[in-house]
Amino acid sequence: SQQGEEDPQALSIQEGENATMNCSYKTSINNLQWYRQNSGRGLVHLILIRSNEREKHSGRLRVTLDTSKKSSSLLITASRAADTASYFCATAPIYNQGGKLIFGQGTELSVKP
Amino acid sequence: DGGITQSPKYLFRKEGQNVTLSCEQNLNHDAMYWYRQDPGQGLRLIYYSQIVNDFQKGDIAEGYSVSREKKESFPLTVTSAQKNPTAFYLCASSLREDEQFFGPGTRLTVL
Repeated sequence: SQQGEEDPQALSIQEGENATMNCSYKTSINNLQWYRQNSGRGLVHLILIRSNEREKHSGRLRVTLDTSKKSSSLLITASRAADTASYFCATAPIYNQGGKLIFGQGTELSVKP
Repeated sequence: DGGITQSPKYLFRKEGQNVTLSCEQNLNHDAMYWYRQDPGQGLRLIYYSQIVNDFQKGDIAEGYSVSREKKESFPLTVTSAQKNPTAFYLCASSLREDEQFFGPGTRLTVL
């Protein structure tokens, strides 16, 4: 079953602009994570936000979590061409066994120079 | 360097063949995972293992098998029972129930 649904599926912006991606999920979670994937590569962990946190920052990344709406957003500020990649949210359900994550379909971000 | 490796990078399989994908980690992680990714899609969990000599089915285990004889290694066999195996396969490991570290992936193509 697909826990995370991401929006938009694709996003194209100019360098220097901000990019916002959204993720919605269905069940209660322990944490929500964001990953980045360059074409044909493995995923790289970006940031983790726990269910009792509302906002977290890491460099140019800002993540928010609204557990009442079961949604999260990832904001990349001052985007660069090197940010071009697919971004996935992944949720760790509260019933979690073995550290399983459930991934969304991803947002494909294109940053044009 | 610590990390997680997968081999081969590209793999071609004929109809009816079993093939094994390698995944090795030197991060001293207890948990390891296998995912399948189809074009334009997210990741779907095939199998996972929390400890040596133990593993559990994920959401799409049919046609796949795994073993976990060593902490460092979690090979995945794609059997002939998997009718549509062409995909990108990703292995990951984690220390706790937090972030997962991914290998570079193996692209499997059925000829």
